[in-house]
Amino acid sequence: ETVLTQSPGSLSLSPGERATLSCRANQTISYSFLAWYQQKPGQAPRLLIYGVSSRATGIPDRFSGSGSGTDFTLTITGLEPEDFAVYYCQQYGYLPRTFGQGTTVEIK
Amino acid sequence: QVQLVQSGAEVKKPGASVKISCKASGYTFNNFAIHWVRQAPGHRLEWMGWINAANGKTKYSQKFEARVTITRDTSASTAYMELSSLRSEDTAVYYCARSLQITTATSMGYWGQGTLVTVSS
Repeated sequence: ETVLTQSPGSLSLSPGERATLSCRANQTISYSFLAWYQQKPGQAPRLLIYGVSSRATGIPDRFSGSGSGTDFTLTITGLEPEDFAVYYCQQYGYLPRTFGQGTTVEIK
Repeated sequence: QVQLVQSGAEVKKPGASVKISCKASGYTFNNFAIHWVRQAPGHRLEWMGWINAANGKTKYSQKFEARVTITRDTSASTAYMELSSLRSEDTAVYYCARSLQITTATSMGYWGQGTLVTVSS
């Protein structure tokens, strides 16, 4: 199965700072089938990015995705208070669909 | 607006089965697949399987294939996930999620609120 490894496990930043989250796959993700989700405590995940770099409806442009092959990045430019959460990458090019273990972005 | 509303929390004994519902609204039910994903405490999100709402065809993760059944009732715009032979490790929040796009290879664009299943003797 496709294993996704996210780094770092947690990130301690202040509002206004830039967050850079990494997701690495153990095999090439075909056709850019890579998504990012945000999850807050007690809530369901919310789709942020699909197709590596396309923002989902209603997602502000401070969220951006990039990468190809096996290495992908989610960047949050100018953290807002509501951005402190857990972020997961997910691939949908292979079965079974798999998720990374998550990166927690916490307030410094 | 797209909404997925799941059934309420369940407490089950080991060896029992649980069946969770996911009622969809705000879109044409038949046009999009429904996925089931679970999140056990301290574990990453785990995909269990999906159903093509139009024809009822399913695809399961090998990990759950022997114990999971995903069905749908198009007249009720509702999908169901049944997990059998429950054990304590199945204690988790179970989510349904709708595919973002009509194609098979797509992300999960809309999520239900989650259903907590607790397995305890």
